[in-house]
Amino acid sequence: GEDVEQSLFLSVREGDSSVINCTYTDSSSTYLYWYKQEPGAGLQLLTYIFSNMDMKQDQRLTVLLNKKDKHLSLRIADTQTGDSAIYFCAEADYNTDKLIFGTGTRLQVFP
Amino acid sequence: NAGVTQTPKFRILKIGQSMTLQCTQDMNHNYMYWYRQDPGMGLKLIYYSVGAGITDKGEVPNGYNVSRSTTEDFPLRLELAAPSQTSVYFCASSSGLAEHYNEQFFGPGTRLTVL
Repeated sequence: GEDVEQSLFLSVREGDSSVINCTYTDSSSTYLYWYKQEPGAGLQLLTYIFSNMDMKQDQRLTVLLNKKDKHLSLRIADTQTGDSAIYFCAEADYNTDKLIFGTGTRLQVFP
Repeated sequence: NAGVTQTPKFRILKIGQSMTLQCTQDMNHNYMYWYRQDPGMGLKLIYYSVGAGITDKGEVPNGYNVSRSTTEDFPLRLELAAPSQTSVYFCASSSGLAEHYNEQFFGPGTRLTVL
């Protein structure tokens, strides 16, 4: 079955770049997503990438997709304290469009 | 638009009690989902629905039931609460249209504790 893996924690200094990594198993996924969860809140879509793309940039966010290695990363430039949250990688099951979520990476930004 | 709303925000149940978690969306979305989030874990899909009158099991459906009588509402029922059902429950919806890249919109969650 599908499995999406992420490291659990990342700690960075304010102003530095953060890189959150994810590996997935379903090579037929159509879209891959990054969701953000702030404390006590639901998940919110941060960005997504279509499976035929290698890179997508959106302001401070850069998503890189390596289909050969089934590796997805999210880079946040100039990380701010407001970026502190849990970041979930997710892939869409090709047949059902259901999302398969990773375990989430807790990003902590310190001054 | 209120988006996806869930009630209640918090609930404590005794073992064996039953309750219904409510979920409503006002975006006219066809697809609706129920997830549970356990500490340090990702979201696990409990049930989903692709339209009124249609529901299907997700990854962890045991101990739960759903119904979808209207497009807007997708309640989740726990019949005999067990401690293993202590979790945070999220409802989500999506349009189901390819051009919306299956973006799911999440409610704020219901924190349930079973003692």
